Amino acid sequence: DTAVSQTPKYLVTQMGNDKSIKCEQNLGHDTMYWYKQDSKKFLKIMFSYNNKELIINETVPNRFSPKSPDKAHLNLHINSLELGDSAVYFCASSPWDKGSRDLNEKLFFGSGTQLSVL
Amino acid sequence: AQKVTQAQTEISVVEKEDVTLDCVYETRDTTYYLFWYKQPPSGELVFLIRRNSFDEQNEISGRYSWNFQKSTSSFNFTITASQVVDSAVYFCALTSDNYGQNFVFGPGTRLSVLP
Repeated sequence: DTAVSQTPKYLVTQMGNDKSIKCEQNLGHDTMYWYKQDSKKFLKIMFSYNNKELIINETVPNRFSPKSPDKAHLNLHINSLELGDSAVYFCASSPWDKGSRDLNEKLFFGSGTQLSVL
Repeated sequence: AQKVTQAQTEISVVEKEDVTLDCVYETRDTTYYLFWYKQPPSGELVFLIRRNSFDEQNEISGRYSWNFQKSTSSFNFTITASQVVDSAVYFCALTSDNYGQNFVFGPGTRLSVLP
């Protein structure tokens, strides 16, 4: 009954490969996110989607492409993986909706995907 | 621009000591929201508290307490009588009206509680 689930938990791959990380939430939330946590534990937002619409798209290489087939899913596809992509990627969701002025909604995080590019 | 600073990179205390984790934020918005998250060694991110800019009341939850001071743009977190299970990385985060729900996280403070 995990609220925000992401797979796989660990991903080890060679440089140049293409890989995907999947995320699903069963909380009925309207907004989903991808965060990257580097080796120094710094958390930085990559993307957010509200009801399948891209809301936040931070400065992320074009090799990263999010896809939201429905509001319960937000997948992350990464092309031509590089050594610097090695990190922990967290999916998150929140009840926040674009039309709402209430930003007091917390983030619910998945357990993270540790990506190691060799 | 929004920014969250957690000046303490690492703190070590001995069990039962009190410890305060500092958080200083910057925003030009008058309406904003502050959060604390805990990341234990297992890696998951656990929500601890949220506070909006109109509510400067301090909050206490068991051994945890939070001190929000708009005058100094700080939202500090104190653990009383620390325990080994409190060992984790603690993140302060900020979001505000003009940034949708773009949470900006501080760099985190790694707390080690020694037995």
